Amino acid sequence: GAVVSQHPSWVICKSGTSVKIECRSLDFQATTMFWYRQFPKQSLMLMATSNEGSKATYEQGVEKDKFLINHASLTLSTLTVTSAHPEDSSFYICSARDLGAETQYFGPGTRLLVL
Amino acid sequence: AQKITQTQPGMFVQEKEAVTLDCTYDTSDPSYGLFWYKQPSSGEMIFLIYQGSYDQQNATEGRYSLNFQKARKSANLVISASQLGDSAMYFCAMREGQGAGSYQLTFGKGTKLSVIP
Repeated sequence: GAVVSQHPSWVICKSGTSVKIECRSLDFQATTMFWYRQFPKQSLMLMATSNEGSKATYEQGVEKDKFLINHASLTLSTLTVTSAHPEDSSFYICSARDLGAETQYFGPGTRLLVL
Repeated sequence: AQKITQTQPGMFVQEKEAVTLDCTYDTSDPSYGLFWYKQPSSGEMIFLIYQGSYDQQNATEGRYSLNFQKARKSANLVISASQLGDSAMYFCAMREGQGAGSYQLTFGKGTKLSVIP
């Protein structure tokens, strides 16, 4: 149980395009999902917290207009990187928490390369 | 001050030996949770073990145990009988507080564990 999928696993795009990343909880309902970014050889940095049916809460320094988050259902959250630039190249990983549970379960991550 | 401190950037351990990965934390909240995750080179974050601040006993999960010393604010991960597949980055993380807004995790910088055959 507690499986989280993420799609796509890899994406290469041109500068200026938008990229959508999906995060799905496959066998539980995720009232809260989290989006993290991880640069090479660094730790995970929380970007935003997403609650189903409400606006995401962004961490300080994260541009909400650039990183659009939608949590439309209890099993799906999406992160859209708008007008991507090379400095947005990173590993993006989501996690999901089941209602009443302590543990966050992570998706396999998405590697984004912006050329 | 950093909330989670992992002082060992890298560790080596002989196969079949035990290894301890250090983690200290800083919080003034009486209610918190401590987690360890494993990140292999593929990038996925694998949940290993959880310890709640009110738990009386140290958490154990198979070959993983958490040496929880509350007064010292440490939550070291002990891996017994190391296997080659244990080679990975290991992250300690903390959740502070209770209630709807308290499930965010703060991660340490990680420890890279290498198991030597």
